[in-house]
Amino acid sequence: AQSVTQLDSHVSVSEGTPVLLRCNYSSSYSPSLFWYVQHPNKGLQLLLKYTSAATLVKGINGFEAEFKKSETSFHLTKPSAHMSDAAEYFCVVRGSSNTGKLIFGQGTTLQVKP
Amino acid sequence: ETGVTQTPRHLVMGMTNKKSLKCEQHLGHNAMYWYKQSAKKPLELMFVYSLEERVENNSVPSRFSPECPNSSHLFLHLHTLQPEDSALYLCASSQPSLGQRPTEAFFGQGTRLTVV
Repeated sequence: AQSVTQLDSHVSVSEGTPVLLRCNYSSSYSPSLFWYVQHPNKGLQLLLKYTSAATLVKGINGFEAEFKKSETSFHLTKPSAHMSDAAEYFCVVRGSSNTGKLIFGQGTTLQVKP
Repeated sequence: ETGVTQTPRHLVMGMTNKKSLKCEQHLGHNAMYWYKQSAKKPLELMFVYSLEERVENNSVPSRFSPECPNSSHLFLHLHTLQPEDSALYLCASSQPSLGQRPTEAFFGQGTRLTVV
């Protein structure tokens, strides 16, 4: 069965410093992985996706993630945090069925301090 | 704007009421989903519809009743809910790519439901 584990429930950074949100996955086959962001009182927006092409994936708003099979990780990074990056971030793996079911991690709240 | 629209955005209902949540997508997708987001819990998949047929029902209580009349619309009918059903209900859609499995899902902004 597929699953994801987000290693930090809260991350706090200062504006202008790097962001690292950690995610480990479990999958019996080559997974499809995603990062979604949710701002307060909003729906979920896709940041980036990995579908077995390049292992370094670039997303919107300067975010990127690297798929590391040996470490079963898909960490999300950004070189310089902006105040508008404060939100909830979800690491997601696609389930094994053909229905497109997504399996969500528990989320990481990113706080950006001025 | 993701192309998935949910109404209403907010809903307060009593435990004896009957109400419906609506989801509409204009992306040409043929799979639609209902998710429940409660405080301090991961998103829970409730229902999956593919080509207007329910293909997954994750042990959801019968007080939640989905309906998919066509590939663009999805409803969640609610009756005799409990206070613990208060949550953000998210609708999503996705599309398989030329015989491959679906990739990402596009989400609506959700309906914030409060049961009193």
